[in-house]
Amino acid sequence: GQQVMQIPQYQHVQEGEDFTTYCNSSTTLSNIQWYKQRPGGHPVFLIQLVKSGEVKKQKRLTFQFGEAKKNSSLHITATQTTDVGTYFCAVWMDSSYKLIFGSGTRLLVRP
Amino acid sequence: GAGVSQSPSNKVTEKGKDVELRCDPISGHTALYWYRQSLGQGLEFLIYFQGNSAPDKSGLPSDRFSAERTGGSVSTLTIQRTQQEDSAVYLCASSYGARDTQYFGPGTRLTVL
Repeated sequence: GQQVMQIPQYQHVQEGEDFTTYCNSSTTLSNIQWYKQRPGGHPVFLIQLVKSGEVKKQKRLTFQFGEAKKNSSLHITATQTTDVGTYFCAVWMDSSYKLIFGSGTRLLVRP
Repeated sequence: GAGVSQSPSNKVTEKGKDVELRCDPISGHTALYWYRQSLGQGLEFLIYFQGNSAPDKSGLPSDRFSAERTGGSVSTLTIQRTQQEDSAVYLCASSYGARDTQYFGPGTRLTVL
C-alpha cells in the first residue's frame, strides 16, 4: 500500500538554528499534508500541497512539494522553543478516504 | 461546540473488559475519522464515516473493534475483550466533507492492565 517515509526520526537543535524534515515516497503522490503535534497534544493541520514543485510559506515555515511529487519537506528558519513538537506528513490514499501518516519527526529546541 | 470533543480523556481497564470511546465532532461536519496512536508513533487509520455510514473500515485491527455513528454526529468506538496491545491514544477527527481539513479531538488515552 501507499506509504511515506519520514526522516529524521528525531532532531535536537539550538534555538535559532534551522530545522528540516523530509517525507519520501516510492510512488507519485497526488497530495501531501503536514501536521504539528505538541507534546501531550493532538495533531493540528498546517498545510496541504498538491502541485508539482509547489512552495508555500507560513511565517518561518517553508513547505515544498518535489517536482516529481514523490517527496516533500518542511523547513523551519531560526527555530524557537514554541516550535517543539512532532511534525507529521500525511497523504490521502488514491481512490480512498484514508489518510496515511508518516512516522513523524520529533523536534526538540534547546533555549 | 467549538471543536471536536472526546470522552473519557483517560480510561484504565482490565484485560478482557469492553470499553466504549466517544467522539463529538464539530457541528455540521459530515466526515468523521478514528485513529490510533501508540506511544511515540504515528497515527494509524482505523475507520472513516461519511454521515452515518462507514465506507472504509479497513483499518480496524480485529473483529474486537467496532464503531458506529448515529444522527450523523456522535460516534462511538467499542473495543471488546481488550488486550494489552490495545493500549494507545485513540484520536477522533472530523471534517466538513471527505478529504477536507481534519480537526482532531484531544484523544482518549486507553491503558489496558
